[in-house]
Amino acid sequence: DGGITQSPKYLFRKEGQNVTLSCEQNLNHDAMYWYRQDPGQGLRLIYYSQIVNDFQKGDIAEGYSVSREKKESFPLTVTSAQKNPTAFYLCASSTDQERQETQYFGPGTRLLVL
Amino acid sequence: KQEVTQIPAALSVPEGENLVLNCSFTDSAIYNLQWFRQDPGKGLTSLLLIQSSQREQTSGRLNASLDKSSGRSTLYIAASQPGDSATYLCAVSGNTPLVFGKGTRLSVIA
Repeated sequence: DGGITQSPKYLFRKEGQNVTLSCEQNLNHDAMYWYRQDPGQGLRLIYYSQIVNDFQKGDIAEGYSVSREKKESFPLTVTSAQKNPTAFYLCASSTDQERQETQYFGPGTRLLVL
Repeated sequence: KQEVTQIPAALSVPEGENLVLNCSFTDSAIYNLQWFRQDPGKGLTSLLLIQSSQREQTSGRLNASLDKSSGRSTLYIAASQPGDSATYLCAVSGNTPLVFGKGTRLSVIA
């Protein structure tokens, strides 16, 4: 089955700790995205990548970092600099960011702070 | 900066009713508009995508319209069912990736 997988489903972060959220797709999509969703809110863009080894900041990139070493993978690291990390994190992909094709979403990772 | 607003924030209807969800956006220079469905604690599922040159798209009981000049879109759901209960989000694309509204939480009561 083609699709997007995110792991883990739930993640707990201790004070001062960096944590990494995994996102993998086997849709052969060039573009990948990370969004954050808070209760009752829409999605806000953290980072996006149009091609391997290239990525751009979204609206709320502070306290987050990404890498795009492989086409299939776009991991997100929530650093200790992100003071309010508790949220639902969604990864998405599309064939071409510039042509704005439909985005396909993963099941999400819920991050909680201990 | 593009802003997307969805009204109402929540809606409860009896089963079988036809309903309309509204979405408005501030910058009419868009490439397309998309409607998504989100079930509680889940990711988003794409329902319909309307290109900026199109006026509407249909899929089954769903019909989405787009009036780019006035910055509005509607999602029409015919003969609603309890399984339609979810949050519906609209999103617009322009020179930057998708900008989302906060969604409308729909409850269809059997």
